[in-house]
Order: sequence, then C-alpha cells, then structure tokens
Amino acid sequence: EVQLLESGGGLVQPGGSLRLSCGASGFSFSRYAMSWVRQAPGEGLEWVAVISNGGGTTDYADSVKDRFTISRDNSKNTLYMEMNSLRVDDTAVYYCVVATGAHWGQGTLVSVSS
Amino acid sequence: EIVLTQSPGTLSLSPGDGVALSCRASQSVSSIHVAWYQQKPGQAPRLLIYGASSRATGIPDRFSGSGSGTDFTLTISRLEPEDFAMYYCQQYGTSPYTFGQGTRLDIK
Repeated sequence: EVQLLESGGGLVQPGGSLRLSCGASGFSFSRYAMSWVRQAPGEGLEWVAVISNGGGTTDYADSVKDRFTISRDNSKNTLYMEMNSLRVDDTAVYYCVVATGAHWGQGTLVSVSS
Repeated sequence: EIVLTQSPGTLSLSPGDGVALSCRASQSVSSIHVAWYQQKPGQAPRLLIYGASSRATGIPDRFSGSGSGTDFTLTISRLEPEDFAMYYCQQYGTSPYTFGQGTRLDIK
C-alpha cells in the first residue's frame, strides 16, 4: 500500500522558516517525480513545486520561487520542502503528491502568523 | 500561466441525476496532461481521471472524462450519495501546473 506521511508543519512568525518532510513507502520512490500542492483554509488547490525522480530538475510556482526549495533523498525515500521568508499567505495545508497525482499524503498544516 | 475556469461554481442535484462539469483553459492544453480530482471535507484530493479520459485505479465507471484543446468535461452518469463533494481539474503539461477553482456538488 502506498503511504505518504508529511511532517514538519506548525505555527511560525512571518519571515520565519520551516522544513517539511514527506516519508514515502509502498512504491519505488526513486522512479517517480514528486510534487508539493497546498490548500489555504477554505480555498482551492495550488500547485507549489515539482522535482524529478533523480532530483536534478525542479520547478516552482512564481508565488514561492526563490523562497522555497524542494529536494529529495532517494536513499531515505523522503521528500523535503525548505520554506524561507514565510508570509501570512503561505498559510495552508501542504500535501506531498506523487507527480502522477495518483497518491497524496494526508497533509501538514503550516500557519504563518504573528 | 494557463488559467483553468470551472463551471458552474456550485450545483445542487439529487442522487440518481447525471451531471457534466466543465473545465475551460485559457490556452490549448495537451489532453494527456489533464486530470480531475474529487475532494471531500477534511480529506486529501483523490485522482479520478488522468489523460483527460482515463479512469484512475478503483474509480467507478459512472465517472468519465472527455475533451480536447481548451474544453474538458467530467461526467458523472448517476450520482451516488458519496459523489457530493468538490471537484477540481488540473493541467500538468505546462508549468505552473494549475488547478481550476473547483465545482462544488451539493445534495438538493
């Protein structure tokens, strides 16, 4: 069974940093591109970033470019998102997603507030 | 950026009804890069359709997808009580991989 388990969310002040992790199991993690998708409270879905299966290629939404960094460690079956210069409008549930869209984690809540 | 516009925003229907949800793109999208998701409150989205018309694993055949170019449709032939939820389309052919704003399906 495919499992994606996000962690690392929490409450942070504007301008602060967080590192999200997503542990993957039940599939060949290193064969698949992975994405982060977020959802602000009561709002729709927003694609945030994607990383290729080997980690050599990344892409970001303009709203997070130069502030967020997606990375992965295939030896640990883990996806990461380093989030810097956080803003109030980054508040959302962050989902780890196999890039095919077929599998999503349960999400981790990031709240940015003073 | 490719903007996806879903219509209608909200629909109120009854179990047993059929429905067609629209997703219109601001520029042409490759059909192989269009997906539809269902999301229920407090849950992660679930993939229904990929490649515009292929059902994901375990999705009932009352769900079907169609379309090409700028116009895509998710059709649910006979609504079951568990189908009342939010529905989102997504294009993943051109970065940023945008989502539509969603259509909410309510029970009448």
